[in-house]
Amino acid sequence: GENVEQHPSTLSVQEGDSAVIKCTYSDSASNYFPWYKQELGKRPQLIIDIRSNVGEKKDQRIAVTLNKTAKHFSLHITETQPEDSAVYFCAASRVGIRHSSASKIIFGSGTRLSIRP
Amino acid sequence: DAGVIQSPRHEVTEMGQEVTLRCKPISGHDYLFWYRQTMMRGLELLIYFNNNVPIDDSGMPEDRFSAKMPNASFSTLKIQPSEPRDSAVYFCASSLETGSYSGANVLTFGAGSRLTVL
Repeated sequence: GENVEQHPSTLSVQEGDSAVIKCTYSDSASNYFPWYKQELGKRPQLIIDIRSNVGEKKDQRIAVTLNKTAKHFSLHITETQPEDSAVYFCAASRVGIRHSSASKIIFGSGTRLSIRP
Repeated sequence: DAGVIQSPRHEVTEMGQEVTLRCKPISGHDYLFWYRQTMMRGLELLIYFNNNVPIDDSGMPEDRFSAKMPNASFSTLKIQPSEPRDSAVYFCASSLETGSYSGANVLTFGAGSRLTVL
């Protein structure tokens, strides 16, 4: 079945440095790749997403890259700040295809990011 | 809109008891998902509905778990009988899929129901 692998499981970076989280997916039909951030005790919230017709997307300090051939995508956070400390989840799914089970969103196992002051 | 509403926020029960978790999705959203979150297994998809119809329940752990969506504004996840290993945070999420590449499948999560089975 579909699977999303995420690495690393924990990541600690110095404030101001960059953080990179990587994911791979198994379903070659996946065409939508969101990233969710979950702060301690809170619900996951979407921070950025990318479609398979785009190789890179940037939103201020956050960027995502997608390599469809290799079936992997990454989250890059630059100039990290204390408020970036959270658990980050990648996910993969299909959109725009109305078949049964096509819209299930499978999450990676999460990366706990800690920003050291 | 008040967002996705889940109840109860916290539930502590004894092994063998029935547990019912409730969810009210965002009005107009046509997909509803139930996820379970634990430290060991992360965010697991249990079941999801499209227009109130269950589409994929392959993530439901076993027959003790059941989910229903009797109408567009309400869904339940039931565990009967509950076991200590069911202890987790259960999230409900809803989304609107437009069938195109514009803004589809953005999940809005509820606050979660933290279940503890003693």
